[in-house]
Amino acid sequence: GNSVTQMEGPVTLSEEAFLTINCTYTATGYPSLFWYVQYPGEGLQLLLKATKADDKGSNKGFEATYRKETTSFHLEKGSVQVSDSAVYFCALTNAGGTSYGKLTFGQGTILTVHP
Amino acid sequence: EPEVTQTPSHQVTQMGQEVILRCVPISNHLYFYWYRQILGQKVEFLVSFYNNEISEKSEIFDDQFSVERPDGSNFTLKIRSTKLEDSAMYFCASLDRPLNSPLHFGNGTRLTVT
Repeated sequence: GNSVTQMEGPVTLSEEAFLTINCTYTATGYPSLFWYVQYPGEGLQLLLKATKADDKGSNKGFEATYRKETTSFHLEKGSVQVSDSAVYFCALTNAGGTSYGKLTFGQGTILTVHP
Repeated sequence: EPEVTQTPSHQVTQMGQEVILRCVPISNHLYFYWYRQILGQKVEFLVSFYNNEISEKSEIFDDQFSVERPDGSNFTLKIRSTKLEDSAMYFCASLDRPLNSPLHFGNGTRLTVT
């Protein structure tokens, strides 16, 4: 079956530091890959996605590249802000139709950014 | 921007009681989902719902669980006889059209079974 593994957290950084959150996956076929973010007290929001190998998803200064050869989708940001403090989830789906919304999630990584 | 809304934000119930978690998906969405997250664990898929019937369900979604779309706007998750291990955050999500749009999640309902 499908699985997603994220780096253990929590991650604590100073403002303007470089961020990497590792994500690797196991899936059959050609999954679509996602990063979701959960700010305190809020639901899960899509941060970025990539639907095929070598695609780069980007949003709000965050980037992740779909690497099929290493089955990875690492999240990066060059300069984090205090407002980036949140929980980040890597996820995938390899289904179509109604099953497209059936996501397999990683365990989440808590990011705390200090001024 | 349209949102998925869930009520209540926190529900406390006693073991063995029935509980109904409520969700209002985005109005033009056609596909609906429930997920749960036990504290400290992964977010897990429970069930998907389309065209007024369950499309797919996970092993977690046993006979104690049911979903319903009683009218044109609400989507509910019922747990018939709650157990301690049902304590979790439950997320509702909805989708417009697969592959062309993201899954929109609500803020979740924290269910505590005592």
